[in-house]
Amino acid sequence: QQQVKQSPQSLIVQKGGISIINCAYENTAFDYFPWYQQFPGKGPALLIAIRPDVSEKKEGRFTISFNKSAKQFSLHIMDSQPGDSATYFCAAAPNNLFFGTGTRLTVIP
Amino acid sequence: KAGVTQTPRYLIKTRGQQVTLSCSPISGHRSVSWYQQTPGQGLQFLFEYFSETQRNKGNFPGRFSGRQFSNSRSEMNVSTLELGDSALYLCASSLSSGKFSEQFFGPGTRLTVL
Repeated sequence: QQQVKQSPQSLIVQKGGISIINCAYENTAFDYFPWYQQFPGKGPALLIAIRPDVSEKKEGRFTISFNKSAKQFSLHIMDSQPGDSATYFCAAAPNNLFFGTGTRLTVIP
Repeated sequence: KAGVTQTPRYLIKTRGQQVTLSCSPISGHRSVSWYQQTPGQGLQFLFEYFSETQRNKGNFPGRFSGRQFSNSRSEMNVSTLELGDSALYLCASSLSSGKFSEQFFGPGTRLTVL
């Protein structure tokens, strides 16, 4: 059973547009929600993370929105660039990380 | 600072064999976690080692085992390989144990079981 559900599976966005990836979870013990970015042939790299005591965290063009009551969180990439084309994974943890299934983002120039 | 290194990068084995994968963490990092990545199941946590002790274990059969040495290097062993074990095995290191300590991933070992 997938502990963290991620959507969409793939996303195509025009350069300069906003990319939005959504994740949902059921386990209320989760208290750490990171997002990872993975390029082909590389391991995932931490992009940004949030804890449930805040509803939003922004780092540059990347923002996590967190809705504790709905048990949902999302990643927004503002002003999307071709270099952002990668696979993005959300994750959640009580102790070890449970990952979503990934979203392949393609940003068209 | 050198990143996480994993050896070998590619491996082909046949069913029933066993395999050992190696991970060298970033210098100074004492925690090493292992993950299996497949197209169907995504990234799944295998186990975490900190100071040579297994701290946490995922939901994998006992054929999957690991260890950590005093220099923090870690090995993962899979015995009696099955076709379904074909995957990218990722190792991640962090300064300390626990979810809040940022994990740095290596490039992975691609295992193919024939």
